[in-house]
Amino acid sequence: AQKVTQAQTEISVVEKEDVTLDCVYETRDTTYYLFWYKQPPSGELVFLIRRNSFDEQNEISGRYSWNFQKSTSSFNFTITASQVVDSAVYFCALSEARRAQKLVFGQGTRLTINP
Amino acid sequence: GAVVSQHPSWVICKSGTSVKIECRSLDFQATTMFWYRQFPKQSLMLMATSNEGSKATYEQGVEKDKFLINHASLTLSTLTVTSAHPEDSSFYICSAQGGVYDYGYTFGSGTRLTVV
Repeated sequence: AQKVTQAQTEISVVEKEDVTLDCVYETRDTTYYLFWYKQPPSGELVFLIRRNSFDEQNEISGRYSWNFQKSTSSFNFTITASQVVDSAVYFCALSEARRAQKLVFGQGTRLTINP
Repeated sequence: GAVVSQHPSWVICKSGTSVKIECRSLDFQATTMFWYRQFPKQSLMLMATSNEGSKATYEQGVEKDKFLINHASLTLSTLTVTSAHPEDSSFYICSAQGGVYDYGYTFGSGTRLTVV
């Protein structure tokens, strides 16, 4: 069975600090996708990244970066120089790399950036 | 990019009544639709998966007679909460997946249901 664990329930930092959100996953599949989503208070899910299990290259997008390590089954997300607008709940998710497969979500990490 | 329109954004209904939530894919054909439920401060839990023209597959513990899912066309899927009770109050969100080479998930904006 697939499982995603986000051990950090809540994180609170001061603006401009760097913050890392942890994600550990379990799957028996050799091919899978990993995702990160942002959920602001309005509720909609904002797609941040999708990573194929064969691609272990780290990714950087502006202030966001992701570190994928298959050896530790982790897909961590770092926000550099955090801003108040980054405050939201962040979800890590996993799916099999086949069509019509459900997304399995972690419990989410509530990130609060204080001014 | 792909867009899924979900309506209504919020709804308040009385106990015992039924509520229908619609999800429409605006610029692609949604061959598969996923329906999730999210209680306050919790994660998203999959309720059911539906493929166009087929009966939905429900997750364990989800009452299929209470949560009716219809996916009759490639652009529209509906979730009907029948005989709603206060414990059905939750955030419901749909997610669509398109064609053969689509491994992404396009989410609707969600529906906040309050049953009074």
